[in-house]
Amino acid sequence: GAVVSQHPSWVICKSGTSVKIECRSLDFQATTMFWYRQFPKQSLMLMATSNEGSKATYEQGVEKDKFLINHASLTLSTLTVTSAHPEDSSFYICSARELLYEQYFGPGTRLTVT
Amino acid sequence: AQSVTQPDIHITVSEGASLELRCNYSYGATPYLFWYVQSPGQGLQLLLKYFSGDTLVQGIKGFEAEFKRSQSSFNLRKPSVHWSDAAEYFCAVVISGGYNKLIFGAGTRLAVHP
Repeated sequence: GAVVSQHPSWVICKSGTSVKIECRSLDFQATTMFWYRQFPKQSLMLMATSNEGSKATYEQGVEKDKFLINHASLTLSTLTVTSAHPEDSSFYICSARELLYEQYFGPGTRLTVT
Repeated sequence: AQSVTQPDIHITVSEGASLELRCNYSYGATPYLFWYVQSPGQGLQLLLKYFSGDTLVQGIKGFEAEFKRSQSSFNLRKPSVHWSDAAEYFCAVVISGGYNKLIFGAGTRLAVHP
């Protein structure tokens, strides 16, 4: 149980285009989902907290207009990287929370912007 | 401010040797602590967690961790390491209140020599 999926697992896009990443909780309902960014050989940095039916809460320094987050249902949250640039290339990981404190993580999406 | 420190960036052990990965936290209240493992290019897998009760916590894959309040530590241990344990290990603490966010340490990269 408590499986989280992400799609796609790897995406390459051209600079200036937008790309959407999906995060799904497959066997539980998640009122809260989180989006993280991870640079090579570094830790996970929380980008934003996504709550179903409400606006996402972004961490300080994260551009909300560049990283659009939508949590349309209890099992789906999406992250859209708008007008992507090479510096947005990274590993993006989502998590979904079933219980009060425990998060389950997706396998991650590697974004490469050329 | 709440924080998690993993003092060892990189550790190398021989297969069959014992392992201890260090984690120290800075948090005023009772912490909710986690250890996650990340294999190359993968998302995070929960190894174990501590919420309350017995300070010695057993996890998956033969790992255990001990919560020591006096030392603000939650070190991860394994008596005999297998080559498949080579990965990145992250200690994390929940910052309670609001959305109960996870704060990660910088991670420790474990290499296992045959």
